[in-house]
Amino acid sequence: SQTIHQWPATLVQPVGSPLSLECTVEGTSNPNLYWYRQAAGRGLQLLFYSVGIGQISSEVPQNLSASRPQDRQFILSSKKLLLSDSGFYLCAWSHAGTDTQYFGPGTRLTVL
Amino acid sequence: KQEVTQIPAALSVPEGENLVLNCSFTDSAIYNLQWFRQDPGKGLTSLLLIQSSQREQTSGRLNASLDKSSGRSTLYIAASQPGDSATYLCAVWANSGYALNFGKGTSLLVTP
Repeated sequence: SQTIHQWPATLVQPVGSPLSLECTVEGTSNPNLYWYRQAAGRGLQLLFYSVGIGQISSEVPQNLSASRPQDRQFILSSKKLLLSDSGFYLCAWSHAGTDTQYFGPGTRLTVL
Repeated sequence: KQEVTQIPAALSVPEGENLVLNCSFTDSAIYNLQWFRQDPGKGLTSLLLIQSSQREQTSGRLNASLDKSSGRSTLYIAASQPGDSATYLCAVWANSGYALNFGKGTSLLVTP
């Protein structure tokens, strides 16, 4: 069976510090991978998606970047965090573009 | 741009009641519509996926319907239980998009 992991579960960072969130998927190959952010009072916002190694598409301009160094590894990064980067970050995967998406447990990021 | 709206934003019902959650979307050109459940501080769990050619899907006490032409979907929960308390999210995959567009969710509380 497939599983998806995210870490860390929670993170408190000062403004201006770097960020690295990691997501890994087990039990499948060549998944589509997604990063979402859920801010207070707002719906889930797609940040990045990837259909293969090294292939990253961004949905919105922002202070964040994503990388996919391995088939089942997806990393969300920032060089300098802003207060507005606070939120709940969710990684997801799917077999193909329009299939059911399976979500990880999420990372709660607080920027102070 | 696809806009997804969920009504009501919050709902409180006594245990045993049948209830309906509503979802509407602005662009009827969709691949599918998905319903998710999110427990506080947790990731999303997929409940039902309805393809654009389908009218409904059922899983246990859950039944989701889709009226693509009117841009509406409903999630029917029969004989509600306290364990059903969670936020329910509706998401659509638009023909022109690359990922799901989410509503803000309906927060459901089922009281014993």
